[in-house]
Amino acid sequence: DAKTTQPPSMDCAEGRAANLPCNHSTISGNEYVYWYRQIHSQGPQYIIHGLKNNETNEMASLIITEDRKSSTLILPHATLRDTAVYYCIVRVSGSSNTGKLIFGQGTTLQVKP
Amino acid sequence: DTAVSQTPKYLVTQMGNDKSIKCEQNLGHDTMYWYKQDSKKFLKIMFSYNNKELIINETVPNRFSPKSPDKAHLNLHINSLELGDSAVYFCASSLLGAGGNTEAFFGQGTRLTVV
Repeated sequence: DAKTTQPPSMDCAEGRAANLPCNHSTISGNEYVYWYRQIHSQGPQYIIHGLKNNETNEMASLIITEDRKSSTLILPHATLRDTAVYYCIVRVSGSSNTGKLIFGQGTTLQVKP
Repeated sequence: DTAVSQTPKYLVTQMGNDKSIKCEQNLGHDTMYWYKQDSKKFLKIMFSYNNKELIINETVPNRFSPKSPDKAHLNLHINSLELGDSAVYFCASSLLGAGGNTEAFFGQGTRLTVV
């Protein structure tokens, strides 16, 4: 699975959009980009994933560049409850997929009032 | 209804003891995992079972033995506990049989402290 690079920390004002970047320059054609977050003292929580098209769900939007070498997770209206560590993970799909998630250090997002 | 539940939530024990952590999922998933999060907050996979068969076994001391009595349960037994085993252990599950691109659901973790 390809490696990802994220900034260690970011701040965001409550009510504003939080844009969390992720670099995955060695991503392969059959690898998906997944985002999880871990709120303090809780288990990781799935947010969103995508292959090459932009994706949106009730939690966030995922923008993947055309060359797929980077992506951005967007929380449109951040709240204090979105303060967490956000992990960008690249994972292979298909028959070789074991479901294994390789977590990096992630980005600690602090939402401030 | 909790999707992935682990027991106990906290476990404090002495060095040398043997302990077990239980995990159950009610999502109908075919694959379950154990992850370890150390004091530096790094999350690392330890084991995975797919339909009760071991499919991932990372470099983990053989004092750690997972057991999957059925698809809904994956327990973790640890023998001869050491101080370095202190960590938060997370159980997770997912559905690999659905094409592989589904999310994993995590339990709330078991904080193990070895004294």
